[in-house]
Amino acid sequence: SQKIEQNSEALNIQEGKTATLTCNYTNYSPAYLQWYRQDPGRGPVFLLLIRENEKEKRKERLKVTFDTTLKQSLFHITASQPADSATYLCALGYSSASKIIFGSGTRLSIRP
Amino acid sequence: ETGVTQTPRHLVMGMTNKKSLKCEQHLGHNAMYWYKQSAKKPLELMFVYSLEERVENNSVPSRFSPECPNSSHLFLHLHTLQPEDSALYLCASSQDHTGELFFGEGSRLTVL
Repeated sequence: SQKIEQNSEALNIQEGKTATLTCNYTNYSPAYLQWYRQDPGRGPVFLLLIRENEKEKRKERLKVTFDTTLKQSLFHITASQPADSATYLCALGYSSASKIIFGSGTRLSIRP
Repeated sequence: ETGVTQTPRHLVMGMTNKKSLKCEQHLGHNAMYWYKQSAKKPLELMFVYSLEERVENNSVPSRFSPECPNSSHLFLHLHTLQPEDSALYLCASSQDHTGELFFGEGSRLTVL
């Protein structure tokens, strides 16, 4: 079965630095990969989607890369702010299936 | 009015009770999902409905019974639950299983 690993359960970063989160998967490469943000007691909120034929996607201070050879996605937040503190979830989607599989998330803390 | 609304937000029930969780989406999407989120575990997909037909049933115990009367509403009927069923139950919707999921805020369930 497909496994998704997000680099660490928690990551602490100094404000202003770039936060880098990792998502690794085994077995089959997904048709697309998504990143979500989840705040405590709230539902996840979609941030970015990158397809298997794309190397990089950007949105404001966010950047996602997708390396199907390494079976890895990196999620970067540049000029990080305390308001970026949250849990970030990686999710894989397959074109032939109706399910999206989630990783267990990385809890990011940005200290002032 | 938010895109995906879940009620109740909090529910405490005994093991012999029968209750239901409700989800309503105002986005015109044609697919709806139930996910279970337990502490320190990835989101687990429970059920997927596409055009009001169930297309995925992820080996969920029969004490959880979904219902999708139309494309905007989704229910999760609960009966004779176990304490380990205590979790955050998240409803989501999407268009055609091909992109982002829009989540509700979740229903926090506690089974005594």
